[in-house]
Amino acid sequence: DTAVSQTPKYLVTQMGNDKSIKCEQNLGHDTMYWYKQDSKKFLKIMFSYNNKELIINETVPNRFSPKSPDKAHLNLHINSLELGDSAVYFCASSQGGFNQPQHFGDGTRLSIL
Amino acid sequence: DQQVKQNSPSLSVQEGRISILNCDYTNSMFDYFLWYKKYPAEGPTFLISISSIKDKNEDGRFTVFLNKSAKHLSLHIVPSQPGDSAVYFCAATRAGGTSYGKLTFGQGTILTVHP
Repeated sequence: DTAVSQTPKYLVTQMGNDKSIKCEQNLGHDTMYWYKQDSKKFLKIMFSYNNKELIINETVPNRFSPKSPDKAHLNLHINSLELGDSAVYFCASSQGGFNQPQHFGDGTRLSIL
Repeated sequence: DQQVKQNSPSLSVQEGRISILNCDYTNSMFDYFLWYKKYPAEGPTFLISISSIKDKNEDGRFTVFLNKSAKHLSLHIVPSQPGDSAVYFCAATRAGGTSYGKLTFGQGTILTVHP
């Protein structure tokens, strides 16, 4: 059973398009995250939701909008895609608490043509 | 400004020997540290963690050491095995405040263990 699953695994699209990445966790965790791994390989937090409430919102362009329909799902919608959005996006979840390890999905590789 | 740094992009070690991966941080508010391991085309997986109230934490072949005065931590793997070949990420967070479990990652070190 996959604990944190992201779809799609690969996403190739053109500049200006709108796309969504879905994330689901079956661990019963109450907190979910989106990270971006850029070309320099740094993993950077973008958003975090706790029980469907936004609790972390880093300096991310407004074109990125997370949506959490329930605590097992956290989707990422991106409007007007730009070349600089090309990256690997990772979803993660944890059971609250700073000392609870986060469980990551396998990532979505987004390539903008 | 990168608050967590792993200055060695790669490390190559012989099977059976010790692997030492290093990590430095600049934010003195960090008080909880984690190591993650990542295989290609997979997400990072949690390996081991340490609180700032300790200077060492051990789990099987993996030991993490924390030197708060130097703002430095290291991961020791003994003995190293070929299956340990992966990218290792150091991460840091704050226990309280408004961190909400926000992790700040280093850029990773590629470990290759040769048979």
